[in-house]
Amino acid sequence: GAGVSQSPSNKVTEKGKDVELRCDPISGHTALYWYRQRLGQGLEFLIYFQGNSAPDKSGLPSDRFSAERTGESVSTLTIQRTQQEDSAVYLCASSLGGRGRPGQPQHFGDGTRLSIL
Amino acid sequence: DQQVKQNSPSLSVQEGRISILNCDYTNSMFDYFLWYKKYPAEGPTFLISISSIKDKNEDGRFTVFLNKSAKHLSLHIVPSQPGDSAVYFCAASGGSQGNLIFGKGTKLSVKP
Repeated sequence: GAGVSQSPSNKVTEKGKDVELRCDPISGHTALYWYRQRLGQGLEFLIYFQGNSAPDKSGLPSDRFSAERTGESVSTLTIQRTQQEDSAVYLCASSLGGRGRPGQPQHFGDGTRLSIL
Repeated sequence: DQQVKQNSPSLSVQEGRISILNCDYTNSMFDYFLWYKKYPAEGPTFLISISSIKDKNEDGRFTVFLNKSAKHLSLHIVPSQPGDSAVYFCAASGGSQGNLIFGKGTKLSVKP
């Protein structure tokens, strides 16, 4: 489809395991973002990619979290040694240009619901 | 410290009437504001935006008003329809804060 695609849509795993979440942005969108939404909360920024580089990683909550992007396209968010507080919906978004530019809103995928047992 | 606040967690409106969703912000450097709508189990969908050089932007049934002096924006939906029932998020960016900062959302219920 033409929208942002995320996989898997749901992931249940045991505490301590590593997980990898995938995002396919809209074709041609140079900017890509990861957010997290915990239950009852707003969206929490994690990391921003412009092309394949990540000029802003300020939202990553700990060194267990990492992300990469290749080919100015697909991005993966990896959480190592998962903890129960990592349970959330992880959302990916992309935009045509750099972040925060008027007229270039971010378009979101449907998210990955991550549950840590 | 929330930079974008949506103080009403929920709002209930009768079909055909106006829905008014409010949002306040604290960072005077914000210069771009957006509203997103979110259905359960789906990602947020972009609705409408406004830049700080304007005080109103209209798109069909949706109008966003910006009051910079009060650091307040609102989304008006008129007439409201049952399909508008969703969680609405306000977001802002600007200045050194290049990322979108989201409010916690307001759940709108439009009753037939």
